[in-house]
Amino acid sequence: TQLLEQSPQFLSIQEGENLTVYCNSSSVFSSLQWYRQEPGEGPVLLVTVVTGGEVKKLKRLTFQFGDARKDSSLHITAAQPGDTGLYLCAGAEDNFNKFYFGSGTKLNVKP
Amino acid sequence: GAGVSQSPRYKVAKRGQDVALRCDPISGHVSLFWYQQALGQGPEFLTYFQNEAQLDKSGLPSDRFFAERPEGSVSTLKIQRTQQEDSAVYLCASSRDRAFIPVYNEQFFGPGTRLTVL
Repeated sequence: TQLLEQSPQFLSIQEGENLTVYCNSSSVFSSLQWYRQEPGEGPVLLVTVVTGGEVKKLKRLTFQFGDARKDSSLHITAAQPGDTGLYLCAGAEDNFNKFYFGSGTKLNVKP
Repeated sequence: GAGVSQSPRYKVAKRGQDVALRCDPISGHVSLFWYQQALGQGPEFLTYFQNEAQLDKSGLPSDRFFAERPEGSVSTLKIQRTQQEDSAVYLCASSRDRAFIPVYNEQFFGPGTRLTVL
């Protein structure tokens, strides 16, 4: 059972398109992280957000933490084939040492 | 520097066999985590160590699962009498500090051990 629901589960788009991935929960998290995972590898951290309403940008990626700290979104502008991978959100409880992962969004960017 | 390493990378076991999965965290990292990732799912928390102390094992699915980190560095996840439902990728992660501040809690993941139980 996963506390975080991600949508969509699968996304296949053309290079240059924009996309948004959502991460929702009924629970409040102290912090939320986004990871990207490629086949045969472990997840790699992209960003951590801790304040309700916080927006962080990482090149073409924009991350937002909901005001109530229950949801988050990841927006990618002008997607590139190198963005292909499994995107995971993970929420941390108060002690920051136990993380709950979403089920992931599998993104495929076609050249 | 070296990242988190796990061995073996692949393990095939017959149902009922015992297996041991090893994790070498980044040197000096205080915290170590084990996760189970089923096919097409996100990782699920199994257990957490701070140095050699196992502070949370609430995610271990049954008493067939046992983890240890006796000297506060290398950790082993042992699964006794493996069942088909144990088939998954087992991920290990380590983080630098125990402080309750997100910036110190970046988890660095290993590549995982893919366990297949026949």
